[in-house]
Amino acid sequence: AQKVTQAQTEISVVEKEDVTLDCVYETRDTTYYLFWYKQPPSGELVFLIRRNSFDEQNEISGRYSWNFQKSTSSFNFTITASQVVDSAVYFCALSEANFGNEKLTFGTGTRLTIIP
Amino acid sequence: DAEITQSPRHKITETGRQVTLACHQTWNHNNMFWYRQDLGHGLRLIHYSYGVQDTNKGEVSDGYSVSRSNTEDLPLTLESAASSQTSVYFCASSETGGLYNEQFFGPGTRLTVL
Repeated sequence: AQKVTQAQTEISVVEKEDVTLDCVYETRDTTYYLFWYKQPPSGELVFLIRRNSFDEQNEISGRYSWNFQKSTSSFNFTITASQVVDSAVYFCALSEANFGNEKLTFGTGTRLTIIP
Repeated sequence: DAEITQSPRHKITETGRQVTLACHQTWNHNNMFWYRQDLGHGLRLIHYSYGVQDTNKGEVSDGYSVSRSNTEDLPLTLESAASSQTSVYFCASSETGGLYNEQFFGPGTRLTVL
């Protein structure tokens, strides 16, 4: 069975500080996909990134970066120079890569509060 | 533009009543999913469908049912609403065998059972 653990329930940082959100996953599959979603106070789910298990390169998108390490089964998310607009709940998710088994397993989420 | 919509956006009902939440997508995706979101649990899968006439139980399917009569819609029915089913419900869709299994989410329905 698949499992995603986000041990940090809530994090608060002062604006402009860097913050890292942790995600640890469990799966027996050799091929899988990892995702991060953002849920702002308005409630919708906003897709941020997806990662194929074959691709361990870290990715950077503006102030956002992701560190994927298969050796530790982690897919951590770092926000650099945080802003108030980054305040949201962030979810990490895992999906098998097999055809016909595309459902997502979500972590419990991390609530991030950026203090102005 | 293609989209996925849910209705109603907010619903208050009483214990024991039957409730149906609608989900409609214009992506022409074969896969559709229903999740519920609760504090401390994240999003949990209720039911899912990989095509017309196909339905499958997810992690928390008790008390819920779905039917898939066409590609665009996957209504979620609570046969006899219970207070434990007070939650925010999200519908999602994805393309079969699509790149990275990316799911597109609807805006959510907030259901309160009194």
